[in-house]
Order: sequence, then C-alpha cells, then structure tokens
Amino acid sequence: AQSVSQHNHHVILSEAASLELGCNYSYGGTVNLFWYVQYPGQHLQLLLKYFSGDPLVKGIKGFEAEFIKSKFSFNLRKPSVQWSDTAEYFCAVNPYPDTGRRALTFGSGTRLQVQP
Amino acid sequence: DGGITQSPKYLFRKEGQNVTLSCEQNLNHDAMYWYRQDPGQGLRLIYYSQIVNDFQKGDIAEGYSVSREKKESFPLTVTSAQKNPTAFYLCASRPRTSGGRDIQYFGAGTRLSVL
Repeated sequence: AQSVSQHNHHVILSEAASLELGCNYSYGGTVNLFWYVQYPGQHLQLLLKYFSGDPLVKGIKGFEAEFIKSKFSFNLRKPSVQWSDTAEYFCAVNPYPDTGRRALTFGSGTRLQVQP
Repeated sequence: DGGITQSPKYLFRKEGQNVTLSCEQNLNHDAMYWYRQDPGQGLRLIYYSQIVNDFQKGDIAEGYSVSREKKESFPLTVTSAQKNPTAFYLCASRPRTSGGRDIQYFGAGTRLSVL
C-alpha cells in the first residue's frame, strides 16, 4: 500500500516570502500526484496535478510542483506568498493504472499561515 | 451549479445514537467516496463506491455503513459502534475514466460532534 509523508506540519511565513512544502510518497510503481488546498471554511480544491510528461507542473494562483522520481518527491513551491494563501495543503497520490479502488492516499497536511 | 452537496454542515450525536450524513452529486460521476479528516492526520478513506448498488470498505470502515441506491447519492451512517466519531467528514466523487487519470471533487464537509 502507498503512503504519503508531509514533513512540515505548520509553516508560518511573512508575505512575499518563498514557500516550499515537502511531500514524499512510498509506492513502487507509477503514481498520479496531486496537491489539494483547503482555505478556511471552503471546499477542498485541486491546486495542481501530475500525471505524466514534464515533471514541473504549474497550478492555480502561482503555485508549482516538481516531481522527482528518484526521490519519490512532489514538493510544492511558490516564489512569493500572499496573505490569501493561508490554508491547509494536502499532498495526495494514487497508483496508475488504478488498482480498482481509485481512491486517493493523503498526507497529513501542512497548515500554512501567512502574516501580513 | 454542478457540484457535491453535503448536509448538514454541523451535526451532533448523542451516545448510542446512529446518525446519517447526506452526500448528493449532480456531476454524473460514477465513483463516490467518504473520507474522515482529523487534525494532523489528513484524510482517511472510510468507504467508496464505484457504481450503483456496490460499495467497498476503505481503511477505517469500522463503525460506519453506507448505501448506494442511486448514482447521485451516497449517504454515510455513523453507528453507535463508532466510539470516536468526532471529526470532519468529506464526501468526494470522481468520473470514470480510463486508467484512473482523473480528479476527485469534494463537498464542503460535515462536522460531527458528540454531545
């Protein structure tokens, strides 16, 4: 079974600081990779995804993530955070091709607090 | 608007009581999921259903039950056997695509507390 580790549980940054959130997964085969974001009081929504091809993927709101297969990592980055980026961020994976369950395995989440 | 509707937003359960959380989607998705979110633990899979009249246990199914009588609906019952039900419950759905390269969409969640 796959698992996902997010090492940063709570991150506090000032506006305009750069952000990198770590995500590592354990699974021996091919995976689909996702970052979801949960803004206060809002739905969990997709930030970006990686299925195949260019390992550097761009998402909404200036976020990007890089898939490094050799490190089993899919770290999320943003060059300059804003107060509105305050949220909880979840990394998630599922195997490809799917094993039938087609459910996501989530990391424990990182709470990002951006101070104005 | 297309989406996933969860109700109620807040729910309180008394000791020994069963409660049912509603999840409805109008996205015409085949697969539906229930996750439980606890602080510092991310989301854990309770039950999932790939098609109508079929569902499977996830990683933490004990104390929960589901039904899938209609494509649009996937209610979750938290039974009295669930000893620690206080959590945020999220319903999700997903279209059926080849190989599983698709995206899950989430509802707004139900926060369940024990009285």
